[in-house]
Amino acid sequence: AQRVTQPEKLLSVFKGAPVELKCNYSYSGSPELFWYVQYSRQRLQLLLRHISRESIKGFTADLNKGETSFHLKKPFAQEEDSAMYYCAPQNSGYSTLTFGKGTMLLVSP
Amino acid sequence: DAGVIQSPRHEVTEMGQEVTLRCKPISGHNSLFWYRQTMMRGLELLIYFNNNVPIDDSGMPEDRFSAKMPNASFSTLKIQPSEPRDSAVYFCASSFGDSGYTFGSGTRLTVV
Repeated sequence: AQRVTQPEKLLSVFKGAPVELKCNYSYSGSPELFWYVQYSRQRLQLLLRHISRESIKGFTADLNKGETSFHLKKPFAQEEDSAMYYCAPQNSGYSTLTFGKGTMLLVSP
Repeated sequence: DAGVIQSPRHEVTEMGQEVTLRCKPISGHNSLFWYRQTMMRGLELLIYFNNNVPIDDSGMPEDRFSAKMPNASFSTLKIQPSEPRDSAVYFCASSFGDSGYTFGSGTRLTVV
C-alpha cells in the first residue's frame, strides 16, 4: 500500500537554527515527490519537487531511494518559515498526490 | 490567471441542510481534485476528475457526499444532508499532467 510518513507533528526551533522536516514514503515504483507549504489559514502552495532540484526560500530536499526518504532542509530558519509542511509523493502514471499528515514548523525569535 | 477559485470562503449551516461548494479550476488544467482538511485526519482526497470524468471517488465518505464536473471550468461538491462532523476546510485543486497541484483558498464549512 502507498504510504507517506511525517513522524513529527510539531517542530519548534529558534531563528537561525538548522531545520530538517522528515518524510518517509512507501511506494511501488519510482514516485515523484513534492513538498507543499501552508501558511496560517492560507492555501497550500507548492514549495518544491525533487525532479527540479531547486532551492526555494532556502529549502532543499534530497531524495534518498535507499532509505525511501525525502527530508526537507534549511540551514538557517527564519520566523516567516513558520507554517505547516506536507510531503506528497505522486505515483508515476497517476495524477493523485498522497499527502502526509504534515509537520508544523514554529520558528521563534 | 486568477488561480483556482473556490466559493464560498466560509459557510455556516445548520445540520440537515444542503451545502454546495464550488470550484473553478485553472484554465487548461485537465485534472481536478477535492480534498478535505481536518485537524484529526489531515488532508484527505475525496474525489478526482480527469477531463471532467470522475476517476476515483473512493474517498467520498458517504452517500451524502456527491461531486460533479459538468464542464472543464466548473465543479461542485454537495453534502446533503450535512452533519456537524462534516465541518472542515474543503480544498479544490487542479493540475495538468505531472506538474503538481494548484490549490484554491478553500471553503471553511461549519455545520452546527
